Amino acid sequence: AQSVTQLGSHVSVSEGALVLLRCNYSSSVPPYLFWYVQYPNQGLQLLLKYTSAATLVKGINGFEAEFKKSETSFHLTKPSAHMSDAAEYFCAVSPTPMKTSYDKVIFGPGTSLSVIP
Amino acid sequence: ETGVTQTPRHLVMGMTNKKSLKCEQHLGHNAMYWYKQSAKKPLELMFVYSLEERVENNSVPSRFSPECPNSSHLFLHLHTLQPEDSALYLCASSQDRGTGANVLTFGAGSRLTVL
Repeated sequence: AQSVTQLGSHVSVSEGALVLLRCNYSSSVPPYLFWYVQYPNQGLQLLLKYTSAATLVKGINGFEAEFKKSETSFHLTKPSAHMSDAAEYFCAVSPTPMKTSYDKVIFGPGTSLSVIP
Repeated sequence: ETGVTQTPRHLVMGMTNKKSLKCEQHLGHNAMYWYKQSAKKPLELMFVYSLEERVENNSVPSRFSPECPNSSHLFLHLHTLQPEDSALYLCASSQDRGTGANVLTFGAGSRLTVL
């Protein structure tokens, strides 16, 4: 069965510093991978997705993630943190190829990002 | 309105009450989902509807009853809940394109407190 782990339930960075949020997956074949962000009192919003095209994926708000098959990782980075980046970040995986029209998306436990002024 | 809308945003109910959560999507998607988000626990998939037919029920207690009258609306009927059911309930939708990744669009959630 597929699963997702996120190292560090809470990460703090200074404003302007590099953001690195870690995600590792377990899957017999390279899956589809996603990062979602949840701002306070809101639902989840898609940041970016990997679907077997380029291994370096660019998303919204200056975030990007790199798929590394050898490490089964899909870490999220942003060169310079902004106060508005403070939120909960979820890594997620779904199987490929899709077996059904609603293939299950498995979410990691989430990492809470704090940005210190 | 655009996107996925959930009402009410906040709900407080007693253990003997009956209430319903409503979700409406304005995206033309053909699949809808209920997720439960509890503190310090991963997102839990509760129900999935594809083309208005329930296709997944992840061992959810019968005190939660979903209803999908059409492809744009999804309800979660609640009765005789327990305090441990207090959580954020998220609705999501997606579009089946036959290929490609299943990208979910979420509503803002309904915060449920059971007293």
